[in-house]
Amino acid sequence: QKEVEQNSGPLSVPEGAIASLNCTYSDRVSQSFFWYRQYSGKSPELIMSIYSNGDKEDGRFTAQLNKASQYVSLLIRDSQPSDSATYLCAVNGYTGANSKLTFGKGITLSVRP
Amino acid sequence: GAVVSQHPSRVICKSGTSVKIECRSLDFQATTMFWYRQFPKQSLMLMATSNEGSKATYEQGVEKDKFLINHASLTLSTLTVTSAHPEDSSFYICSARATGGHSDTQYFGPGTRLTVL
Repeated sequence: QKEVEQNSGPLSVPEGAIASLNCTYSDRVSQSFFWYRQYSGKSPELIMSIYSNGDKEDGRFTAQLNKASQYVSLLIRDSQPSDSATYLCAVNGYTGANSKLTFGKGITLSVRP
Repeated sequence: GAVVSQHPSRVICKSGTSVKIECRSLDFQATTMFWYRQFPKQSLMLMATSNEGSKATYEQGVEKDKFLINHASLTLSTLTVTSAHPEDSSFYICSARATGGHSDTQYFGPGTRLTVL
């Protein structure tokens, strides 16, 4: 059974702080890793994808991947109230026609003004 | 970026009726689309994987005769909830996987909120 675990949350940070969201996965052969943001009542929106060990930065977002530790994280710098949402970690075990994502349960982030 | 649309965005129907939901990839071709269901305060649950030109693959516990999926083209998949009942009320979300490049990135549609009375 492939599993993706996220901190139970919720996570609350003050505006301007760094929010750190963590995710671990059980399938060692996982190839692709994604972070989605989901606002209440809306569908998930892709924020970041990462495929190689190390950091990947996009604006205020940085994804970090450590395949040896089976760990992927998302850092949000200069957090804004508009970042308040549920963040879903998703992992793809392999590429190809039959691949599918395994999602974590999500962590709710609240950014306090 | 890749855009996926869903129609309708919201539907209210009587128990026993059937409801069809369309999922379209607007600016890319998707050989594979996925259908998810999400109940309030819960995570996404994958219902089925829809491949263009072939039968859908359903997850364990999902009734294929109740949730009919058709993926007739590279840009359109439909989900029909047959003989809907109140327990089918949920948020149904499709996603489409882009072909080429990192071909495992899924882009989600805006979702369809189904309420069965």
